[in-house]
Parts: sequence; structure tokens; C-alpha cells
Amino acid sequence: AQTVTQSQPEMSVQEAETVTLSCTYDTSESDYYLFWYKQPPSRQMILVIRQEAYKQQNATENRFSVNFQKAAKSFSLKISDSQLGDAAMYFCAYRGYNAGNMLTFGGGTRLMVKP
Amino acid sequence: DARVTQTPRDKVTEMGQEVTMRCQPILGHNTVFWYRQTMMQGLELLAYFRNRAPLDDSGMPKDRFSAEMPDATLATLKIQPSEPRDSAVYFCASGLEVGGYTFGSGTRLTVV
Repeated sequence: AQTVTQSQPEMSVQEAETVTLSCTYDTSESDYYLFWYKQPPSRQMILVIRQEAYKQQNATENRFSVNFQKAAKSFSLKISDSQLGDAAMYFCAYRGYNAGNMLTFGGGTRLMVKP
Repeated sequence: DARVTQTPRDKVTEMGQEVTMRCQPILGHNTVFWYRQTMMQGLELLAYFRNRAPLDDSGMPKDRFSAEMPDATLATLKIQPSEPRDSAVYFCASGLEVGGYTFGSGTRLTVV
């Protein structure tokens, strides 16, 4: 079974600075998707960024980018120019092709942004 | 933007009562999930459907939980009878076989 691990329960960053959230996963599959979801206090789960495993290029969405290391099974999220609105829980998630396309989540990282 | 609609947003009920949560997936999405979120267990998959057919409900307590998709615009999750340990936020998500999934705002269930 696939597992997703987020080793940082909490992180903090100064406004306008850069922060990196870590995620590792375990799988025997070669094709899969990886995601980062943001959950603000409103509890809405918001898709931040996704990465297809067959793509070597790291995904980027505005201030959000990932560092995808397939061999190391690592998928970190970098937030540049942090804003107060970035404060939230961040969940890393895995979706394989052989597991019926279900999402497996990590335990989450709470990000605090200091003004 | 298209969205997944969940009702009710919040529900408080007494132990032993039946609870029904509803989800309207995004039109055209053929995969629908039910997840439960608690502080202790995080996000757990309860059940999911593809083209309205149940694919996996192994994460669901069978004796009291049931999930159905009576049509393509409605998914339901029912708990009967409810227990205090069922208190959690229940999310519905929908998507296609490729790409990401869109989540609803969740139903916060409190069983007293």
C-alpha cells in the first residue's frame, strides 16, 4: 500500500520569505500523480499544485513550486514571497494508477506566517 | 468556477439518530469520493464511486455506514445509528480518471 509522510507537523515563515514543506512517499508504481492541497481555517480543501510522475520538469504555479525527486520519492513544496493568506494546513497526496485512483494523504503540515 | 456542493455544512445530532450527508459532484466528473477528517486519524477514505458504481468502501464501518449514488448528480453518505466517535468533518470530492480532484466544503458532524 502507498504511504505518504509529512515529517513537519508545523512550520513558520516570515511574511515575504520563502518556506519549503517536505513530503516523502512510498510506492512500487512507476506512474502516479502527486498533489499539494491547502486547507485554510474555512476547511475548504484547495488544490495548490500537481505533478505527474512521468514529467521530469518540476511543476510551478505562481509563487508555488515543487521539487520532485522520483528516485528519492520526495515531493517538497516551496512557497515564495509568503503571504498572510498562505497560513493553512498543507497536505501532500498521492494518487496511483493501479490503486483505483484513490488519493492517499499525508498527515499535514500547519504553516504559520508571521507579519 | 465549478464546485462540489455538500449539504448540510454543519450537523449536530443525538447519538442513535440517523444522519444523511449529500454531495453534488461537478457535472461531468465520473469519480466521487467520501473522506472523513479527524484530528487523530487525519484524512481517511471511506468510499468511492466511478460512473456511479461503488469501487471501494473498505474504509467504511459496514454496520452503520452506507454510501450510494442514486444518480450522477447526487452522492449520499448515511450513518445509522450515529455514535459520538463519528464526529468529524466529512468531505466529498469529485474528478475524472486523470488529473486532480475537487473537494466540497465538507459537513462537520457532531454527535452528542
